[in-house]
Amino acid sequence: DGGITQSPKYLFRKEGQNVTLSCEQNLNHDAMYWYRQDPGQGLRLIYYSQIVNDFQKGDIAEGYSVSREKKESFPLTVTSAQKNPTAFYLCASSVGTSGYEQYFGPGTRLTVT
Amino acid sequence: RKEVEQDPGPFNVPEGATVAFNCTYSNSASQSFFWYRQDCRKEPKLLMSVYSSGNEDGRFTAQLNRASQYISLLIRDSKLSDSATYLCVVLIPGNQFYFGTGTSLTVIP
Repeated sequence: DGGITQSPKYLFRKEGQNVTLSCEQNLNHDAMYWYRQDPGQGLRLIYYSQIVNDFQKGDIAEGYSVSREKKESFPLTVTSAQKNPTAFYLCASSVGTSGYEQYFGPGTRLTVT
Repeated sequence: RKEVEQDPGPFNVPEGATVAFNCTYSNSASQSFFWYRQDCRKEPKLLMSVYSSGNEDGRFTAQLNRASQYISLLIRDSKLSDSATYLCVVLIPGNQFYFGTGTSLTVIP
């Protein structure tokens, strides 16, 4: 089955720890994205990547880092510098970035205490 | 000003009713438009793309009004399974997608 997988579904961390969220796709899509969703707010773009070994900051990149070493993988690290890391994190992919629809993974709920 | 604005609702409608949502966008150069559906605590799923000429998919109709900078979604003959949050999505120049905060729909038996 083609799709996007994210793991784990729920993640709990102590404040001050870095944590890496996994995102894998087997759709052969070039572009991949990370968003966070907070209650009552729309999805906000953290980072996106149009091609392997390249990525761009979104609107809220501070406190996050990414890598794109393989086409199918786009992991997101939430660092201790992120002030409010507790959120629902969604990974998406699309064929390209020019008007193509995005498809989402099931998301990871991160809770930092 | 937000890139995309939606009425959060909630819209509570009886089964079989017709309901319409609007979404306004601020960037007149916006290129592509979509409606997504999001169930509680799940990921958004593509409902339909919105084309300039309007498009229909079964009970769902999407329209684009570039002059007034809004898109709309019409749901006819509402089903209980239509209960969800509907997200408006706009692609602006620079290839960045902006999501509305969503409109909540509950279809009541």
